Amino acid sequence: AQSVTQLDSQVPVFEEAPVELRCNYSSSVSVYLFWYVQYPNQGLQLLLKYLSGSTLVKGINGFEAEFNKSQTSFHLRKPSVHISDTAEYFCAVSDKRGYSTLTFGKGTMLLVSP
Amino acid sequence: NAGVTQTPKFQVLKTGQSMTLQCAQDMNHEYMSWYRQDPGMGLRLIHYSVGAGITDQGEVPNGYNVSRSTTEDFPLRLLSAAPSQTSVYFCASRVTPITDTQYFGPGTRLTVL
Repeated sequence: AQSVTQLDSQVPVFEEAPVELRCNYSSSVSVYLFWYVQYPNQGLQLLLKYLSGSTLVKGINGFEAEFNKSQTSFHLRKPSVHISDTAEYFCAVSDKRGYSTLTFGKGTMLLVSP
Repeated sequence: NAGVTQTPKFQVLKTGQSMTLQCAQDMNHEYMSWYRQDPGMGLRLIHYSVGAGITDQGEVPNGYNVSRSTTEDFPLRLLSAAPSQTSVYFCASRVTPITDTQYFGPGTRLTVL
């Protein structure tokens, strides 16, 4: 089984500042890693995913994440945030079986203020 | 494509009542799943299905039933609602491989009094 720990429940940041949302995972097998975003009163949508290859993954809306196998981490970063990035961000992990299910972290609320 | 649709958007039940949350997708996805989202708990998997006629339990299946008679629909049934089932429920679907994007519906906010 896999598990995900999102170390911060809330991250307040000013507009145009950089941000990093932290995610650590635990698994006894190789994994795939995902970040999803949930805007207020909406469902989740995929930001980016790491499947294999380059450990730096670029996603939508200027976000990127880096897979670090030795530290079992998959932190999400953006160099300059906008007010519109205010949302809840979920890290998720799965094993590599075809019918695998996603295990989500508890989420990090990113609060961007002017 | 409408994507993943869920009805109703809001529902209030009394303890002991039953109801069905509807989920439909028009993307011909084999894999469908139900999650519940509670404050500070993230999303937890209730049930999932890898195709018509095939369902399996997730992390928190107690109190919920599912069936999958068609590829498009995956209803979630609460047989006897309890206050602990107050939550926001999300349906999701994807083409089978885990590497493919999972699409989420807009959610159903359920309150059980």
